[in-house]
Amino acid sequence: QKEVEQNSGPLSVPEGAIASLNCTYSDRGSQSFFWYRQYSGKSPELIMSIYSNGDKEDGRFTAQLNKASQYVSLLIRDSQPSDSATYLCAVTGSSGSARQLTFGSGTQLTVLP
Amino acid sequence: SAVISQKPSRDICQRGTSLTIQCQVDSQVTMMFWYRQQPGQSLTLIATANQGSEATYESGFVIDKFPISRPNLTFSTLTVSNMSPEDSSIYLCSVERPPANTEAFFGQGTRLTVV
Repeated sequence: QKEVEQNSGPLSVPEGAIASLNCTYSDRGSQSFFWYRQYSGKSPELIMSIYSNGDKEDGRFTAQLNKASQYVSLLIRDSQPSDSATYLCAVTGSSGSARQLTFGSGTQLTVLP
Repeated sequence: SAVISQKPSRDICQRGTSLTIQCQVDSQVTMMFWYRQQPGQSLTLIATANQGSEATYESGFVIDKFPISRPNLTFSTLTVSNMSPEDSSIYLCSVERPPANTEAFFGQGTRLTVV
């Protein structure tokens, strides 16, 4: 049974701070890693994908992957109240295909004005 | 990313009835996925729908309860049959983005309440 674990939160940070979201996965053969943002009552929105060890930056978002430690993280710099949402970590299996996507339970983030 | 239109966006249904959810994509895709998100929980894959063949169901989900159609490369339906209050969830349609097919995108979801 493939597992994806996230800090359940809730996580609160002040506006302008760095929010750090963490995720671990059990399948050592996993190939593709994603962060989705889900606003309350809305569907998940893909915000970051990462496939190789190291950091990947996109605007205020940085995804970090460490396959040896089976660990993925998402950093949100200069957090804004509009970043308040649930963040879902998702991991594929060894094929890397979205057909094998497993989601974590999500971390609820609140950015306080 | 593909534009995925799902309807209805929400519905309130009587127990024992069935609801069919439609998912339309603006481009041809090989695989379409149906997920369930129960209140306060994460996403669980119900089944994978491939055009021209029967859907592949995940453990805990059966065709009699969740029949799926995939008549062409841009459309699929999921039926929730003989509903009970435990079926109250958000149901989400998802597709892969070609050519790598590693990223999944979601429709806006159907919020189902069974009373």
